[in-house]
Formats: sequence, structure tokens, C-alpha cells
Amino acid sequence: AQKITQTQPGMFVQEKEAVTLDCTYDTSDPSYGLFWYKQPSSGEMIFLIYQGSYDQQNATEGRYSLNFQKARKSANLVISASQLGDSAMYFCAMREGQGAQKLVFGQGTRLTINP
Amino acid sequence: SAVISQKPSRDICQRGTSLTIQCQVDSQVTMMFWYRQQPGQSLTLIATANQGSEATYESGFVIDKFPISRPNLTFSTLTVSNMSPEDSSIYLCSVDRLDTQYFGPGTRLTVL
Repeated sequence: AQKITQTQPGMFVQEKEAVTLDCTYDTSDPSYGLFWYKQPSSGEMIFLIYQGSYDQQNATEGRYSLNFQKARKSANLVISASQLGDSAMYFCAMREGQGAQKLVFGQGTRLTINP
Repeated sequence: SAVISQKPSRDICQRGTSLTIQCQVDSQVTMMFWYRQQPGQSLTLIATANQGSEATYESGFVIDKFPISRPNLTFSTLTVSNMSPEDSSIYLCSVDRLDTQYFGPGTRLTVL
């Protein structure tokens, strides 16, 4: 079974609009972490935001927020006031357990911001 | 955050040859991770490298094909051996710091 599912292969959004990228996960470990990364065409993986399974509040980092719904096992990324530079691939990833552990990635969503 | 550098940033190689990719971190870390991203695909973990012990490989990856060295706590290398066109990918190293995993800029490998 897929541990991380991103159901949107591609998204097209008008500049300045907000956009939500979907991510659902599957784990039986009570301790886990959820990540979002941005990958522009250069190939680098840029860390955006992190949510721990025990965090009481949704994570926020500037224009990025994570809509964490634990019971539904979803961790959607919300980008407010989208910009042309937001066009990229976005990956959701999960780490199970505590400490330094490997990440399991979803298939990604290609976001295109239209002017 | 973590400052991670990789060399080379990209290379074009002939089939049957080998390429060694270097990963340097700005401070000591216990574990370093090596991922592969094939064209149009997501990232897949190749192996986890601990200093002072053998690397731990994921299913589908073997040491003979992807030997890893970890001579100290800030450096690691990944070798892609006896390359074929199917090895054309982006190879990325990463480290964990304060609950967050940071990636190097990646090595874009093309095998002809």
C-alpha cells in the first residue's frame, strides 16, 4: 500500500490566488513527521514545512501552511497569494518513528502559476 | 538549516563506467541518506550511511552497484558502478537536523 498519496498530478492556478495541494498518508506508528518540499526545474529539493504527529497546531511558514487533519490522515499544503516563482514540483513526504529516519515520498504535484 | 554541497553537479558518462558523487555537510551528522530520482519520478532511498559502519541498503539496491563510503561525520560518497542508461537520474544526499531533513543540490547524471 502507498504510504504517501498525492492525487493531483498537476494543478493550474492564477497568480495571487491561494492553492491547496493534497496529501494523504498511511502509517500505524504513533510518532511520525510530515514534510513538504518544492523542487524547481534545477532539481534541488527545497524544504518548505514540517508537521510532527504530536504537534497540536498546524504548522505555518510564511505563505505556507499545513492543514493537518490527523483523523483523516491528511496533510495538505496551502500556499497563499501564489506567485509565478511558486511554479514547481511539490512533494509530500513522511518519516516514521523518532530521530533521523528515511523519508518516503509521494509522487508529487506539478504546480503551474499563470500570470 | 544545513549547508550541503555535492560534486559534481552534473555529468554525462558512457555506459560501463563508474561515477563517484561526493556529499559534504557543514557540520557533523550521524546519518547521511542517499536518494535517487529517476526522470519524471519521485525520490527513492538508496541507502543510509552511518560513520564507522556499513551502509544500510534499501530493497532493490545492492552494495556492488552503489558502494558508499563514510570516512567521517561530515562527508560521504556514493559510487554508481558499471553504469547503464537506466542509471540516468538525479542523485541527492540528505541529512537530518532538528527534526527536518535537508537535501544537497543534487547530481544530475546522464548515461549514454
